[in-house]
Amino acid sequence: SQTIHQWPATLVQPVGSPLSLECTVEGTSNPNLYWYRQAAGRGLQLLFYSVGIGQISSEVPQNLSASRPQDRQFILSSKKLLLSDSGFYLCAWSAQGNNSPLHFGNGTRLTVT
Amino acid sequence: AQSVTQPDIHITVSEGASLELRCNYSYGATPYLFWYVQSPGQGLQLLLKYFSGDTLVQGIKGFEAEFKRSQSSFNLRKPSVHWSDAAEYFCAVGAGSGGYNKLIFGAGTRLAVHP
Repeated sequence: SQTIHQWPATLVQPVGSPLSLECTVEGTSNPNLYWYRQAAGRGLQLLFYSVGIGQISSEVPQNLSASRPQDRQFILSSKKLLLSDSGFYLCAWSAQGNNSPLHFGNGTRLTVT
Repeated sequence: AQSVTQPDIHITVSEGASLELRCNYSYGATPYLFWYVQSPGQGLQLLLKYFSGDTLVQGIKGFEAEFKRSQSSFNLRKPSVHWSDAAEYFCAVGAGSGGYNKLIFGAGTRLAVHP
């Protein structure tokens, strides 16, 4: 069966520091990969998606970037964190296709101080 | 533009009572609709999905949802709520194209269950 791993579970970082969140998927090949952010008391906002290695699409302008160095690895990064980057970050995967359900990791709680 | 509205931010029900969570969507084409549940500090778990066919879909944990095109709604229901159902529930519409599924989420409904 397919599994998705996301780490770390929690992270506290000072303003201006770099960020790297990692997500890996097991048990499937060529998945679509996604990064969502959930701000406190709000819904989920799609940040990035990827349909293949090295293919990254950004949904909103921001201080973050994403990379997909391997088929089942998706990384969310920042060179310098802002206070507004605090939130709950969720990685997800889906099979190829316009209507495939997304399957989420357990998320990373990021607090920028 | 596509959007999802969940009118109820918080709902409280007694254990054993019935539940209905409302969801309205805006989407030009035939929608792909989903309900997810999120326990505190956790990721989202898929409860059920609607693509086409029978407008009443069954999901996990005893949940069901009914698609009503005329009302642009996809409400989630459960006949008897258990204390373990306390969580946040998200409705989403799939707006993808080109081989990926861009899910647009509602703001969520937080469910509290009284014993």
